[in-house]
Amino acid sequence: QVTLKESGPVLVKPTETLTLTCTVSGFSLSDTRLGVTWIRQPPGKALEWLAHIFSNDEKFYNTSLKSRLAISKDTSKSQVVLTLTNMDPVDTATYYCARMNGAFLAADYWGQGTLLTVSS
Amino acid sequence: DIQMTQSPSSVSASVGDRVTITCRASQGLSSWLAWYQQKPGKAPKLLIYAASSLQSGVPSRFSGSGSGTHFTLTISSLQPEDFATYYCQQANSFLLTFGGGTKVEIK
Repeated sequence: QVTLKESGPVLVKPTETLTLTCTVSGFSLSDTRLGVTWIRQPPGKALEWLAHIFSNDEKFYNTSLKSRLAISKDTSKSQVVLTLTNMDPVDTATYYCARMNGAFLAADYWGQGTLLTVSS
Repeated sequence: DIQMTQSPSSVSASVGDRVTITCRASQGLSSWLAWYQQKPGKAPKLLIYAASSLQSGVPSRFSGSGSGTHFTLTISSLQPEDFATYYCQQANSFLLTFGGGTKVEIK
């Protein structure tokens, strides 16, 4: 059974750095057909893709946020970590991690999401 | 970056109706176009990938079509559990963008 679970703070202050962890099970981060992607959704708004990482450690970032984002993985721990620097209230959103099928570049399994608020 | 424009932004429909949602890309895509369904407070669910392939377990009343810059999601006979928000997503050159969403509401 494939599962993904996001973990991290529920509240960060402006200018701080956000670190989110996605812990996966039911598949391996070394599977060459798969990757893990991060997507966020501000309250009442549309989905926004952030970044993804594949088994060969190839990484892709949202062009608009690239300077603030970093994604990495620890295959032995089945974890993918996303960091977002210089947080701002507009970064308040539900953050999802999802499994990315590399064959057709769509997210076929999703975590439940974690709501993050940026406020002083 | 490729922009995805969905229309309509919302639609009111009745059970049994045929509903079509359109997604237009700012430039031509490969076939890496996906559709998702999202219900309030829940994570999105993959419905269609590669423009027209039905994800395992998704009812056959959902179908996708299109190529180039014009793609559609069709629900052939709307069911009560289909009232939700739908998003398209493209993946050109491994960089993803989503459409703005279409909310399907009960008439």
